[in-house]
Amino acid sequence: QVQLVESGGGVVQPGGSLRLSCAASGFSFSSYGMHWVRQAPGKGLEWVAFIRYDETSKYYADSVKGRVTISRDNSKNMLYVQINSLRVEDTAVYYCAKDTVSASGIAYYLDFWGQGTLVTVSS
Amino acid sequence: EIVLTQSPATLSLSPGERATLSCRASQSVRSYLAWYQHKPGQAPRLLIYDASNRAPGIPARFSGSGSGTDFTLTISSLEPEDFAVYYCQQRSGWPPLTFGGGTKVEIK
Repeated sequence: QVQLVESGGGVVQPGGSLRLSCAASGFSFSSYGMHWVRQAPGKGLEWVAFIRYDETSKYYADSVKGRVTISRDNSKNMLYVQINSLRVEDTAVYYCAKDTVSASGIAYYLDFWGQGTLVTVSS
Repeated sequence: EIVLTQSPATLSLSPGERATLSCRASQSVRSYLAWYQHKPGQAPRLLIYDASNRAPGIPARFSGSGSGTDFTLTISSLEPEDFAVYYCQQRSGWPPLTFGGGTKVEIK
């Protein structure tokens, strides 16, 4: 069965950096685009970033563009997101999620999600 | 960026009742809309994609309809496990993907 397990969250000071990881299993990871989505406390879901299955294209939400880098290692079935210059408003649960369509360069829908990892930005 | 507005913000219903949730887009998204269910501490779950197609394993009591700018998620008869927050999401304006603000379905 498909499993996505995020890790790397924690408490970070404003201006700091963090790299989140997502371990994928149960599907052909290298064939699917992958997303990061976040949920701030008491708020709704916010799409953060998408990476094409072959890593040739990456897309970011305007709210994080220039501070966030999504990457993947298809040999290890791992997805990553590096967040720099962290702000208080980046405090959220970060989810990795699998796109529904294989071998596609654009995003469709998110059919499997992890349980999320909490990032708290506070001094 | 396409903005999705969900209504109502909260829906108070009893088990067995019918739930009707609305999602309105700021411009046409054709049929490129999905619905998700999200419970606290759990991973969100894809319910409906392309406006009206149930995702694998989703019970028949969940149905989606609409196109263009107005969409509806209907739960025909609420089960205890259906009380959750529901989000719509569009892909027509990619990039970015956008989500609605959510509708909480709570027990009356």
